[in-house]
Amino acid sequence: AQSVTQLGSHVSVSEGALVLLRCNYSSSVPPYLFWYVQYPNQGLQLLLKYTTGATLVKGINGFEAEFKKSETSFHLTKPSAHMSDAAEYFCAVLRLHYTGTASKLTFGTGTRLQVTL
Amino acid sequence: DTAVSQTPKYLVTQMGNDKSIKCEQNLGHDTMYWYKQDSKKFLKIMFSYNNKELIINETVPNRFSPKSPDKAHLNLHINSLELGDSAVYFCASSQGPHLTRGEGARTRYGYTFGSGTRLTVV
Repeated sequence: AQSVTQLGSHVSVSEGALVLLRCNYSSSVPPYLFWYVQYPNQGLQLLLKYTTGATLVKGINGFEAEFKKSETSFHLTKPSAHMSDAAEYFCAVLRLHYTGTASKLTFGTGTRLQVTL
Repeated sequence: DTAVSQTPKYLVTQMGNDKSIKCEQNLGHDTMYWYKQDSKKFLKIMFSYNNKELIINETVPNRFSPKSPDKAHLNLHINSLELGDSAVYFCASSQGPHLTRGEGARTRYGYTFGSGTRLTVV
């Protein structure tokens, strides 16, 4: 079974500081990994994804993540936090349904990012 | 144009009532989903339909009945609502074929989510 673990349900950083949100995965096959962001009272927006190829993935709003197979990790980073980055962030792993006609996203428990002045 | 749209956005109802949430996608995707986000923000899949056929049913009480009249619509009907049904329900869609690698793999691009329906049962 595939799963993801997000370490830290709440992360607080100062504006301009480095953002690091941690995600570790468990998968018996090469995983497809995603980061989604949820702003207050809004839906889920795709930040970035790792499928194949380059292990350093760049996403929207200056975020990036690196797939590290040896560490089973897919941590999300941003060099300089902005107030507008305050949101809930979800790491997820994709699994194909055995019928081949659907797939399933398994989410981590989320990390709330707070950005202070 | 909204890619995945859900209605209503907010729904407040009393215990025991029956309610429906509608979802429509204009992306031409062939698979649609319902996810539930509980009060602790945990997201979990409930159902998946592919071309009107139920594919995934994740041990959801049978008070929840999804219906897909065509591949662009997936509605969720809930009977005899309970307090524990209070949550945010997200509709999503993805494009097949649902291969995760190799030529033609498109599901690897993930899903498009709707903006959610906040259901409050009082």
